Amino acid sequence: EAGVAQSPRYKIIEKRQSVAFWCNPISGHATLYWYQQILGQGPKLLIQFQNNGVVDDSQLPKDRFSAERLKGVDSTLKIQPAKLEDSAVYLCASSLSQNYGYTFGSGTRLTVV
Amino acid sequence: DAKTTQPNSMESNEEEPVHLPCNHSTISGTDYIHWYRQLPSQGPEYVIHGLTSNVNNRMASLAIAEDRKSSTLILHRATLRDAAVYYCILSVYNAGNMLTFGGGTRLMVKP
Repeated sequence: EAGVAQSPRYKIIEKRQSVAFWCNPISGHATLYWYQQILGQGPKLLIQFQNNGVVDDSQLPKDRFSAERLKGVDSTLKIQPAKLEDSAVYLCASSLSQNYGYTFGSGTRLTVV
Repeated sequence: DAKTTQPNSMESNEEEPVHLPCNHSTISGTDYIHWYRQLPSQGPEYVIHGLTSNVNNRMASLAIAEDRKSSTLILHRATLRDAAVYYCILSVYNAGNMLTFGGGTRLMVKP
């Protein structure tokens, strides 16, 4: 089966600019997650979707980050405006349901200068 | 969230077994034990998970202590491609199954 697709693979922006990441999960996977991984640390959950509804977004900095999952399939994560500390790899993962293992994409490496 | 404790790093020789320990003394009865690994420049990859009984799959074995306060991921024959960061994570069944990653163990495999 095809894996979790993410784009772009790399992105460099200046601080205060906006950026968007896209994720296409494995077909049929109802649950989708966005993680932020800062260099040298483990991934940190930002938001979890079940179909097109938000299950948990308690760790999403809502003043600058937003995410949506229209029609319960693809998802986008947006940062506006970006700060230097947002430099990280943004990982998307999906699972068949809440009780199954995750499949991660390769991530988008964001550098804010 | 129940926490896990892992060594920061471990070394192994190629073609030898590797035992990666994880302590989770505050685990509750409904917490599953998951292991993921992350190779350089890739997203994490599912390895194995279990609740009470030991588990085996094509990648590894998971040995869970009788009191469930610790577990060990066993790679039966390490290869250079097994060099990665290994994460031990607890998740609550039927409670979103959200995985909270810690720092993991960086496994280095020597030829």
